[in-house]
Amino acid sequence: EPEVTQTPSHQVTQMGQEVILRCVPISNHLYFYWYRQILGQKVEFLVSFYNNEISEKSEIFDDQFSVERPDGSNFTLKIRSTKLEDSAMYFCATRKGGNTGELFFGEGSRLTVL
Amino acid sequence: LAKTTQPISMDSYEGQEVNITCSHNNIATNDYITWYQQFPSQGPRFIIQGYKTKVTNEVASLFIPADRKSSTLSLPRVSLSDTAVYYCLVGPMGNRDDKIIFGKGTRLHILP
Repeated sequence: EPEVTQTPSHQVTQMGQEVILRCVPISNHLYFYWYRQILGQKVEFLVSFYNNEISEKSEIFDDQFSVERPDGSNFTLKIRSTKLEDSAMYFCATRKGGNTGELFFGEGSRLTVL
Repeated sequence: LAKTTQPISMDSYEGQEVNITCSHNNIATNDYITWYQQFPSQGPRFIIQGYKTKVTNEVASLFIPADRKSSTLSLPRVSLSDTAVYYCLVGPMGNRDDKIIFGKGTRLHILP
């Protein structure tokens, strides 16, 4: 079964450092998402991306965050200057589009900011 | 997006049928109901989706009454491995919605 893959699985960084999380979507999927989940809390929507541009973003997704799909395959989330409260599990999800709404999630990237 | 309300937690025993109900009083005509399952430290996983009446797959059944203001996810003969958080989502399907929001979910704990 095709799957969404994410790297790294775990990253530890110092506050103020830049972090890039990478996602390889399922090949024929057109819609891409980033979610985050702080330990013990719910899955929070960050941003959706379609046709090489952001479709929707949440209030969490401020100027410190950016997304891109630089090479047509990887879908990346960049956090420019990490804060302690950015520590969370970050999930990439993709959706085929058309008449299906099913999201396929990756295994997540755990970010720890010290 | 329609707001959903589901129990915060539920306990059940192995071998039992578990029903988790989700209320969505302001569901719109073009909204679908989707359920996801999440194990600790993993991404959510799609379980089932429906629009009305009953949908069944190899994992679960989804019951939706005629007024569509609620839905019930039914897990037959649960096992310990069904311990997870279950999320009910309501929204349009396909291209019309890109802000797919998860609620707090129902934490299901299966006891031996």
